[in-house]
Amino acid sequence: QVQLVESGGGVVQPGGSLRLSCVASGFTFSSSGMHWVRQAPGKGLEWVTFIHYDGSDKYYADSVKGRFTISRDNSKNTLYLQMNSLRAEDTAVYYCAKGYNNIDYWGQGTLVAVSS
Amino acid sequence: DIQMTQSPSSVSASVGDRVTITCRASQGISSWLAWYQQKPGKAPKLLIYAASSLQSGVPSRFSGSGSGTDFTLTISSLQPEDFATYYCQQANSFPRTFGGGTKVEIK
Repeated sequence: QVQLVESGGGVVQPGGSLRLSCVASGFTFSSSGMHWVRQAPGKGLEWVTFIHYDGSDKYYADSVKGRFTISRDNSKNTLYLQMNSLRAEDTAVYYCAKGYNNIDYWGQGTLVAVSS
Repeated sequence: DIQMTQSPSSVSASVGDRVTITCRASQGISSWLAWYQQKPGKAPKLLIYAASSLQSGVPSRFSGSGSGTDFTLTISSLQPEDFATYYCQQANSFPRTFGGGTKVEIK
């Protein structure tokens, strides 16, 4: 069965950095586009970024452009999100998610809290 | 960017009721629309893709319709496990965008 397991969340100070990881199993990771989607406490879903199956194309929400970088290592079935210059408004549960048009599988999420 | 507007933001309904949620795109997106269900503390779950296609394993009481800018998610007979928040998402272009969500509550 498809599994997406995120890690790397935690508490970080404003201006700090964090790298999230997502290990995938149960499907051909190297053939799948992948997203990161976040959800601030008590709020709705916000799409963050997407990477093509081979890493050739990447897209970002305006709110994170220039600060976040998505990448992948298909040899390790792992998706990454490098988050720099973190702000209080980046506080959220971050979901790793599989798909291109729609998202057919989601991880359980990892919480990132930006606070001094 | 394409803005997605859902209505209502919340609805109170009883078991057995028919519930309809609408989603409007700020520009035409053909049939590139998905619907998700999210329960508290859980990841979202895909219900409908391509506006009207039912995801495998999803009960047939869920249905989707629409194209262009106006879309609808219908639950034909609300069941206790359907009380949740529902989101639409456009898949026409990047950045992908979600609607603000509709919370279906017990009346």
